Order: sequence, then C-alpha cells, then structure tokens
Amino acid sequence: GIQVEQSPPDLILQEGANSTLRCNFSDSVNNLQWFHQNPWGQLINLFYIPSGTKQNGRLSATTVATERYSLLYISSSQTTDSGVYFCAVVAGGYQKVTFGTGTKLQVIP
Amino acid sequence: NAGVTQTPKFRVLKTGQSMTLLCAQDMNHEYMYWYRQDPGMGLRLIHYSVGEGTTAKGEVPDGYNVSRLKKQNFLLGLESAAPSQTSVYFCASSYRGTMDYSNQPQHFGDGTRLSIL
Repeated sequence: GIQVEQSPPDLILQEGANSTLRCNFSDSVNNLQWFHQNPWGQLINLFYIPSGTKQNGRLSATTVATERYSLLYISSSQTTDSGVYFCAVVAGGYQKVTFGTGTKLQVIP
Repeated sequence: NAGVTQTPKFRVLKTGQSMTLLCAQDMNHEYMYWYRQDPGMGLRLIHYSVGEGTTAKGEVPDGYNVSRLKKQNFLLGLESAAPSQTSVYFCASSYRGTMDYSNQPQHFGDGTRLSIL
C-alpha cells in the first residue's frame, strides 16, 4: 500500500516563529487532508488539498501532486498550535485512507 | 449542530467481553469510517462504509465487525475483546464527491478510549 512519511517527527518552536511541516507519499493520491490533533485528542480539519495552495489565517498548505509531497506552513506560531499534525491521503480504491505518523509540535512562550 | 458523536467516551472491558461502539452523524454524509489510534502513531482504518447497508475492510479489520443499518449510524463491534485492542477509536464521516474518489473532507468525532484488561 501507499506509504506516507511526515517530517520532522518532533518540533519545538518559540512563540512567534514560523515552521514548515512536510508530508511525502509514495504513490499518486486522489485526495489529501491535513489535521491538527490538539492536546485533548480532538482531530480538527485544517485543509482538504489534493493539489494546489490554500490559506486559512496563519496556516497555509501546498500540495504538489506530481512530485508527491505536501507542505503545511505555520506562521507566527502560538501556544495553541501545539499538538500533533497529521496528513492523510486516499490513493487507488474507495476511501482507503492512510495517515502519516505525524509531526508533534510544541510551541513554548 | 452535533456533527459526529461517539458513544461511549470511555470504557474498560475484561478480555473476552464484547461491546459495541456507536457513531452517529447528523450531516447526511454518505461515507463513514472507523479508525484506531495507538500511542505515538497515526490513525489506522479499521472498516468503512460508502452508504447505508454497505461496509468494507480497511487496513486493520481483524477482530472487529461493523454495521450500517441506517445512514446516520455506524456501529463498531468487538465480539471477544483482547488486550491488543486497547486503543483510542475515532469515527469520521464525509460527503461523497461529485467525481470518482473526490470525496469531501472527513469530520471526526471526539474519540472513545477503550481499555481491555
């Protein structure tokens, strides 16, 4: 099956800093989503982005489907950005979603 | 608007016991999913459904059964619980897209923490 790798696995930022999270996938995908899992365990949709670029406030994402990667940008990070960021892809058959192992982000004041 | 609701939120079982986790969504979504998340890992798909009366196996289906008798509900059953099934279980739902495979974003419930002793 498709492999989804995220980097870095862990990241510590000072509040106000910018960061880029990366998601590489081993095959063509039909869709890709970015999620934030907050410290309480809730999964929050960030972007649905099978290709192209989207922005939402301090967050933006770019997927280059032909090169099999996606990037999540966090600007002016805040302590509330802490948690784990996952990308998830669907490739091939119906709805077989594969999650990456995540990037654990800690933003310190 | 409740979105995706999972019941119960916490449960402790003994090995060999059975139980059913309920997922309910009020967004009229066609697709529903069950995942498990183990410590330090991403989510893995157990089973999914593309419509009422349909179910299909995901990545880790063994030891679980599912049913989708009503469009708004997706049930996950453990017939004989094992310690390896200790995990956090998430349910999700999404619309069916207008193009093949172009499904809409998934919306998640808050999870069920299940411990098997």
